[in-house]
Amino acid sequence: EVQLVESGGDLVQPGRSLRLSCTTSGFIFSDYAMSWVRQAPGKGLEWVGFIRNKAYGGTPEYAASVKGRITISRDDSKSIAYLHMNSLKTEDTAVYYCVRSNGDYWGQGTLVTVSS
Amino acid sequence: QSVLTQPPSVSAAPGQKVTISCSGSSSNIGNNYVSWYQQLPGTAPKLLIYDNNKRPSGIPDRFSGSRSGTSATLGITGLQTGDEADYYCGTWDSSLSARVFGGGTKLTVL
Repeated sequence: EVQLVESGGDLVQPGRSLRLSCTTSGFIFSDYAMSWVRQAPGKGLEWVGFIRNKAYGGTPEYAASVKGRITISRDDSKSIAYLHMNSLKTEDTAVYYCVRSNGDYWGQGTLVTVSS
Repeated sequence: QSVLTQPPSVSAAPGQKVTISCSGSSSNIGNNYVSWYQQLPGTAPKLLIYDNNKRPSGIPDRFSGSRSGTSATLGITGLQTGDEADYYCGTWDSSLSARVFGGGTKLTVL
């Protein structure tokens, strides 16, 4: 059974950093690109970025709205994807979902609240 | 403002059929595969349709997808109260080099 479990969401002050983890199981992690999608309270889905699998270079792509403030990485040996966010803003407040590839499996989400 | 345009809401009676549109451009829907997602209240989105019209295993054939030009459509037949949810279209935008979603459509089964 494919499982994606996000962790690391927290209440943080503006300007601080946070790292989210996506621990996966039930599939060959290294075969898949991994994405992050967020959803602000009461709003729609917003793509944050993704990281290709090694066969496609293992490189990331980021949404313009967060580029320069986030880094997506992966550890294929542990089947974990990471989302590192810097200089957090109040508008980053959202549930962050870890997503396999283009969305065939989603985690349950982890809440990040940015507030002073 | 979303790159893909969906109606904010649609409604229909149980047992009826409903369609949800998703309008884009040549840089996204026109040249890339479209997916559709269902988000039941308080839960994570779930894939309903991928590659414009394919259903993952376990998704009933009451759900269908199509694409024509720069628009895509999700169809749901035999509506059930359990289908009440938010529905999102999504695709890759080659100009933005980004995945884009529609703003979401809230389906009410009256």
